[in-house]
Amino acid sequence: GNSVTQMEGPVTLSEEAFLTINCTYTATGYPSLFWYVQYPGEGLQLLLKATKADDKGSNKGFEATYRKETTSFHLEKGSVQVSDSAVYFCALSVYSGGYNKLIFGAGTRLAVHP
Amino acid sequence: DVKVTQSSRYLVKRTGEKVFLECVQDMDHENMFWYRQDPGLGLRLIYFSYDVKMKEKGDIPEGYSVSREKKERFSLILESASTNQTSMYLCATQGFNTGELFFGEGSRLTVL
Repeated sequence: GNSVTQMEGPVTLSEEAFLTINCTYTATGYPSLFWYVQYPGEGLQLLLKATKADDKGSNKGFEATYRKETTSFHLEKGSVQVSDSAVYFCALSVYSGGYNKLIFGAGTRLAVHP
Repeated sequence: DVKVTQSSRYLVKRTGEKVFLECVQDMDHENMFWYRQDPGLGLRLIYFSYDVKMKEKGDIPEGYSVSREKKERFSLILESASTNQTSMYLCATQGFNTGELFFGEGSRLTVL
């Protein structure tokens, strides 16, 4: 079946540290991959996406590369800020039953301290 | 920009009450979704709708129903609220062809 596994949190970092949040997936077919972010008190918003193998999604200093050989889509940022504190969700999209179904990981909470 | 508006940010209800959560989108998207979000469980799909008056069960439909009388509006109904339905509820609409979801701000429901 289709599933997403991401590293458990919370992840606690100091400002300007390097961030990696691991995400691996299991899917039939050729899924699109997404990272969503949820800031405190808000809904989810798309952070970045990649639609095919070897694509790199990037936004706001975050990057993730679609690695088909390792079925991974790890999120990275070179220097985090306090304002990056949020919950991050990895997700995949597969076409099933006539629509694109999104399957989410459990989420990883990031806390960045000054 | 896509705007997805959920009618209530915070609700407190008593066990057995009927609860309506409403969601409105302004982008003429056909697909709309209701998820619940619980710590450690991520997002779980309750119901989705791909057209007016059309609905499909998601992964956890028990205890919920939905209504889609107009394209822009998708309502989630708890016929008889129970304490285990205390959660954050997220509505989303789906962009054409991309699979990307656009979310509302969420409705945090507490059932006492």
